[in-house]
Amino acid sequence: AQTVTQSQPEMSVQEAETVTLSCTYDTSESDYYLFWYKQPPSRQMILVIRQEAYKQQNATENRFSVNFQKAAKSFSLKISDSQLGDAAMYFCALKQGAQKLVFGQGTRLTINP
Amino acid sequence: GAVVSQHPSRVICKSGTSVKIECRSLDFQATTMFWYRQFPKQSLMLMATSNEGSKATYEQGVEKDKFLINHASLTLSTLTVTSAHPEDSSFYICSARDLATSGGSFAYNEQFFGPGTRLTVL
Repeated sequence: AQTVTQSQPEMSVQEAETVTLSCTYDTSESDYYLFWYKQPPSRQMILVIRQEAYKQQNATENRFSVNFQKAAKSFSLKISDSQLGDAAMYFCALKQGAQKLVFGQGTRLTINP
Repeated sequence: GAVVSQHPSRVICKSGTSVKIECRSLDFQATTMFWYRQFPKQSLMLMATSNEGSKATYEQGVEKDKFLINHASLTLSTLTVTSAHPEDSSFYICSARDLATSGGSFAYNEQFFGPGTRLTVL
């Protein structure tokens, strides 16, 4: 069975600083996808970044980057130059092939001005 | 990116009544749609997977007779909460998976999420 664990219920960071959100997962498959989703107060789920397991290079999207450690089954999200608009719930998610997305418990990120 | 809409955005109903929530993919065709439930400060819980033209697949513990799902076209899926009770009050989110392949891999078809529907049962 697939599981995704986010051990940080809440995180806070000063505006313009860098913050890292942690995620670990478990799967028996070698081919899968990992995602970070953002859910702002509007509750709209927004895809932040995705990583294909077969790619060794860490994905990057502007100020967002991941540290993908396949052997350790770790997938952390780094947000650089944090902005007030980054405040949201962040969910880590795992998907194997055409199967369903499995979400972690979420981390609530607060940005302090 | 592709847009998924949900209607209504919020609904309040009396206990015992039925409520229908619509999920539409506006600019793409979706063979598969997903229905999630989210309680306050919690993660998304998958309720069922809806495939166009066939019966939905429900997750363990989800009552199929209570949460009726219909996916009649490639752009519309509906969730009907029958005989709603206060414990059914929650935030319901749908997502749709693009029919087109991405990067040559069918395995990855991005899911696009609707804005959600807040259901309150009095």
